Amino acid sequence: ETVMTQSPATLSVSPGERATLSCRASQSVSTNLAWYQQRPGQTPRLLIYGASTRATGIPARFSGSGSGTEFTLTISSLQSEDFAVYYCQQYNNWPPLTFGGGTKVEIK
Amino acid sequence: QVQLQESGPGLVKPSETLSLICAVSGFSIISDHYWGWIRQPPGRGLEWIGSVYLSDNTFYNTYYNPSLNGRVTISVDTSKNQFSLSLTSVTAADTAVYYCASQGIAVAGIEYYFDYWGQGTLVTVSS
Repeated sequence: ETVMTQSPATLSVSPGERATLSCRASQSVSTNLAWYQQRPGQTPRLLIYGASTRATGIPARFSGSGSGTEFTLTISSLQSEDFAVYYCQQYNNWPPLTFGGGTKVEIK
Repeated sequence: QVQLQESGPGLVKPSETLSLICAVSGFSIISDHYWGWIRQPPGRGLEWIGSVYLSDNTFYNTYYNPSLNGRVTISVDTSKNQFSLSLTSVTAADTAVYYCASQGIAVAGIEYYFDYWGQGTLVTVSS
């Protein structure tokens, strides 16, 4: 099983600042990695797939990068609606499909 | 517009079987794509349960998370455009919000990330 590790667990950021979230895979997943956003009480929403392709309707302030075992989600200028939990998911080595434990982005 | 909607009992007794249905509208499930179930225990992260693949030839195949030790079955009702989850011998550890989701239907080809999600349904395992 490919274990996905996200860091930090919690990230405190001021509105308008940049946020950088990390996701590490226990073995290579190539670029078969997705990012999701989950606002409190809401369903997860796909942000990024293929490590760097934004899903339909996702603002350009969200960007993804990386390949192999190291990945980054960057939010260039945090808006109020961006404070949420973010999950990465690998889909290269499955079953099982595996998610990271999440990073909570909170208001500083 | 693609919509997925989970339905089923919100309370299941320990050792019994959890059964949920995911009704899909706006897109045929017979589409050379995967459709999956994911769960989220209260206050915790996401766990993949399993996925089913259906093709235009109505062939389908299923894949399950090994951590569930053979307790999972996903089935399909193409006449109703829906797929179902069955989880046997449940315990309190199976208490979670259960989501159904499509996998990569917004793009051509077969993908494995989850692009459209249902609203989720909370299932509590308790006597």
